Amino acid sequence: RKEVEQDPGPFNVPEGATVAFNCTYSNSASQSFFWYRQDCRKEPKLLMSVYSSGNEDGRFTAQLNRASQYISLLIRDSKLSDSATYLCVVRSGSARQLTFGSGTQLTVLP
Amino acid sequence: DVKVTQSSRYLVKRTGEKVFLECVQDMDHENMFWYRQDPGLGLRLIYFSYDVKMKEKGDIPEGYSVSREKKERFSLILESASTNQTSMYLCASTLEWLPDTQYFGPGTRLTVL
Repeated sequence: RKEVEQDPGPFNVPEGATVAFNCTYSNSASQSFFWYRQDCRKEPKLLMSVYSSGNEDGRFTAQLNRASQYISLLIRDSKLSDSATYLCVVRSGSARQLTFGSGTQLTVLP
Repeated sequence: DVKVTQSSRYLVKRTGEKVFLECVQDMDHENMFWYRQDPGLGLRLIYFSYDVKMKEKGDIPEGYSVSREKKERFSLILESASTNQTSMYLCASTLEWLPDTQYFGPGTRLTVL
């Protein structure tokens, strides 16, 4: 079983739609959680951290459910520029390294 | 702005060749990482280093070695390249006290024929 699992998609949504991505992680010792974004043929970049209480950054909302070992990302009012692959990422305890999911591909259509 | 550079964007090598991939960061980061990225498998950690001359194996170190002689430079070495090492290789770095934000280089697309 993969340590971080995501639905690979692709998700094709019209502009203005709301879309949600889910992710599960298997290591209950995981302490830190993130969403990274990777544009086509580019490197991954940190989108946002995910906090226990849930957090919002503009049109993006991230949620964490430790009991179910589940992370989500909600994008409201999708823009064409949101088209990318979204990577779910976790870090266990004091580990220096991150564990990446294989990503969910989103295409926002005009 | 943090800058992580990789020596080549595209590289084509033959089976059995020794391959060097170089990564340089300019922000005095302690931690550096090498990943490979393959469709459906995501990013997998090959090796990382938290200090000069220090290295730790990641999830898939077989067939690879690394070198960190200077803080800013982290090299990935394929001692004898094989076709199953054809992949996108990404280097990343972080500060020791801020390990959550990894800064990635642009990647090297390696093809082994």
